[in-house]
Amino acid sequence: EAGVTQFPSHSVIEKGQTVTLRCDPISGHDNLYWYRRVMGKEIKFLLHFVKESKQDESGMPNNRFLAERTGGTYSTLKVQPAELEDSGVYFCASSGRQGARIYEQYFGPGTRLTVT
Amino acid sequence: QQQVKQSPQSLIVQKGGISIINCAYENTAFDYFPWYQQFPGKGPALLIAIRPDVSEKKEGRFTISFNKSAKQFSLHIMDSQPGDSATYFCAAAHLYGNKLVFGAGTILRVKS
Repeated sequence: EAGVTQFPSHSVIEKGQTVTLRCDPISGHDNLYWYRRVMGKEIKFLLHFVKESKQDESGMPNNRFLAERTGGTYSTLKVQPAELEDSGVYFCASSGRQGARIYEQYFGPGTRLTVT
Repeated sequence: QQQVKQSPQSLIVQKGGISIINCAYENTAFDYFPWYQQFPGKGPALLIAIRPDVSEKKEGRFTISFNKSAKQFSLHIMDSQPGDSATYFCAAAHLYGNKLVFGAGTILRVKS
């Protein structure tokens, strides 16, 4: 079974530009999460989808961040316009919908975003 | 406001020794406490998790100790091996409440 995949693995953009990150969850997982780790600090929650609906977006920093999950499959996270403080590693995670372990979240390898 | 405090930031252990990483949480509503292991270039991988109804859980060389009254939990790695060298994150969550609250991470290096 394929794990969570993320694209790109690394992105370097200039301040003011737009970047779109993509996440493909484990097949069949209804729950999809975005997290971010800024250098050396804790991994912080950004938002949570259940299928195509945003369940919790309390961690989104501001309106420059837009997450979508069309059709309840893959998700995109767009940052527009990017600022220096947006630099960090963006992780996607997914969890299943059946059984007693829906709370177990499986993480992708992350996208390292560098804004210069 | 950091809801989960993790220590130490880094740890060096000799091969065969015991690695101990500690975490403390504030929110008494948390009822799920996982530990994640992350190797360079990879995402965090679920290592072991505990619910507050037990005080200890062991899986192989990895043990979680949980102290509900003190709101603390720790990861013990017995017979530490160089292959255990990684960053370890503790986390806490409501079991069905979705979002994980992470500690800042501990960089473990096991010297051979």
